[in-house]
Amino acid sequence: GESVGLHLPTLSVQEGDNSIINCAYSNSASDYFIWYKQESGKGPQFIIDIRSNMDKRQGQRVTVLLNKTVKHLSLQIAATQPGDSAVYFCAESRGAQKLVFGQGTRLTINP
Amino acid sequence: GAVVSQHPSRVICKSGTSVKIECRSLDFQATTMFWYRQFPKKSLMLMATSNEGSKATYEQGVEKDKFLINHASLTLSTLTVTSAHPEDSSFYICSARDQGTGSNTEAFFGQGTRLTVV
Repeated sequence: GESVGLHLPTLSVQEGDNSIINCAYSNSASDYFIWYKQESGKGPQFIIDIRSNMDKRQGQRVTVLLNKTVKHLSLQIAATQPGDSAVYFCAESRGAQKLVFGQGTRLTINP
Repeated sequence: GAVVSQHPSRVICKSGTSVKIECRSLDFQATTMFWYRQFPKKSLMLMATSNEGSKATYEQGVEKDKFLINHASLTLSTLTVTSAHPEDSSFYICSARDQGTGSNTEAFFGQGTRLTVV
């Protein structure tokens, strides 16, 4: 069935390095994508979003890339910091408003 | 950004009792709110879409009589777990989108409610 998923469940990087978290989606009709960060025991926190009419969007230390040809989404975090350690979810919005979440990637920043 | 407040953050209840969780949009109106359930080390699973002034839309496999949803105003939705059992123990999270900014906008999430049924 249709799903949003991530390639890797865990990712460890050295503090200061860049990290890339990937996500695959299967519905070519999806038109809006969001990356969320979730720390233990808390609700998801918005990081960055992108609409299907774009292929790249940049924020503060974060960049989201969208490749509609292969239905792939990625989140790049530059110069990682200890506070970046969390679980990251991609989410896909289909039609009106419902968000479907991927399985999540746990990012660990090593000192 | 917009704020969604969820209450309580933690609740412990006895089997057979009911628990109500509130979700409020503090600085925007939300005709639609969403309720998710999250198991440990798992992703968020959408349970239902709460619609202001009308019945909620439940996802397949979610018991509507078990998880009662009420969305009586543009800023408040409630989820009541009825006759709770230990298997209902989970992390419940609500979210809402600011209707005033269009349909394709970020969803803001509450801080979640950790429910433990003993």
